[in-house]
Amino acid sequence: RKEVEQDPGPFNVPEGATVAFNCTYSNSASQSFFWYRQDCRKEPKLLMSVYSSGNEDGRFTAQLNRASQYISLLIRDSKLSDSATYLCVVTPTDKLIFGTGTRLQVFP
Amino acid sequence: EAGVTQFPSHSVIEKGQTVTLRCDPISGHDNLYWYRRVMGKEIKFLLHFVKESKQDESGMPNNRFLAERTGGTYSTLKVQPAELEDSGVYFCASSQWVSGPRTGELFFGEGSRLTVL
Repeated sequence: RKEVEQDPGPFNVPEGATVAFNCTYSNSASQSFFWYRQDCRKEPKLLMSVYSSGNEDGRFTAQLNRASQYISLLIRDSKLSDSATYLCVVTPTDKLIFGTGTRLQVFP
Repeated sequence: EAGVTQFPSHSVIEKGQTVTLRCDPISGHDNLYWYRRVMGKEIKFLLHFVKESKQDESGMPNNRFLAERTGGTYSTLKVQPAELEDSGVYFCASSQWVSGPRTGELFFGEGSRLTVL
């Protein structure tokens, strides 16, 4: 079983749509949680951290459910520029454990 | 401020040859990490340097891979001899703090794409 599981997609949505991604992780000792974004042939970049209380950054909302070992990312009012692969990342120790990523394609 | 730079951006070699990838971290970052993404798989940790010392090399696949960070500045990752399954994108990342991965303060380079024929 993979340490971080994500639906690979692709999710094809029109501009303005709301889209949600989920991931589950297996190591209950994981301490920190993130969503990274990776554009095609580029490096992963931190999108946002994920906290148990839930947190929001503009159109992006992240949630963590420690009991279920489940993390989510909600994107509202999708833009063409949101098209990318979204990587769920956990850190049980001082190294990042990545999911395979969920690909999002926003179309006009 | 310059980010993490990696060289070469793309390398195509034949099976059995040697390739050396280089990473220049952000100036002042003591922590340097190598990660790899094989096609269709997730990005996986290879190893972690703190200055010139290997802190954790648990992700190195086998002894054909040798990483060095002489002087605690740039790092090299040598693959010798390369095999077909070594093809992928090798990412380097750096952080000022050892807790960088846990705090999100970890910065990636654009990666070196290795193709082994």
